[in-house]
Amino acid sequence: QSVLTQPPSVSAAPGQKVTISCSGSNSKIGGNFVSWYQQLPGTAPKLLIYDNYKRPSGIPGRFSGSKSGTSATLGITGLQTGDEADYYCGTWDSSLGAVVFGGGTKLTVL
Amino acid sequence: QVQLVQSGAEVKKPGASVKVSCKASGYTFSDYYINWVRQAPGQGLEWMGWINPKSGGTGYAQKFQGRVTMTMDTSISTAYMDLSSLVSDDTAVYFCARGVGTKVFDYWGQGALVTVSS
Repeated sequence: QSVLTQPPSVSAAPGQKVTISCSGSNSKIGGNFVSWYQQLPGTAPKLLIYDNYKRPSGIPGRFSGSKSGTSATLGITGLQTGDEADYYCGTWDSSLGAVVFGGGTKLTVL
Repeated sequence: QVQLVQSGAEVKKPGASVKVSCKASGYTFSDYYINWVRQAPGQGLEWMGWINPKSGGTGYAQKFQGRVTMTMDTSISTAYMDLSSLVSDDTAVYFCARGVGTKVFDYWGQGALVTVSS
């Protein structure tokens, strides 16, 4: 059982928007920055969002991140079939002294 | 360009140890932490720990304390993760990832599959 809670799956049609939630506690999301990673099938994870909302160079503006209290959200607009992947949130757990991840959310673009 | 290239797949028997390497290029090796993350088949990501190439300092997840050792050879910009007393539940893909500090992983290796089977 993962320390951060994500929905197992989400789906939407091409061109639409989807959001993926990530919830934790004060010692996790509440007091620390959140990152988001995209893992395409059979590949290594890729950093999408860091420090709650910042995008690394090369990540399109269709991807956005936000945080409120002990929850974070990844938003993807203008969905493309190439966005089909597993998405993971991650943060530092101050009580554990460890990086923790959500269980992952499988995005299907119908 | 930044690259992390890992060693190949391994098959080990229960009780054995495995050592996975991660060779970095395209940046100054000592400027960024190297973290290790594993992923069991069909499962999510699990953080194992980090090594600071500048100081050699390490930090391990409590679950792996006593069983994992992270080392490095700065002369060849390579980090290593050694996991001992392997059991079948250690079967996973092991990733190295460059860390901006210990908490954000901006570049990842391709992964190394470790299979533990008798």
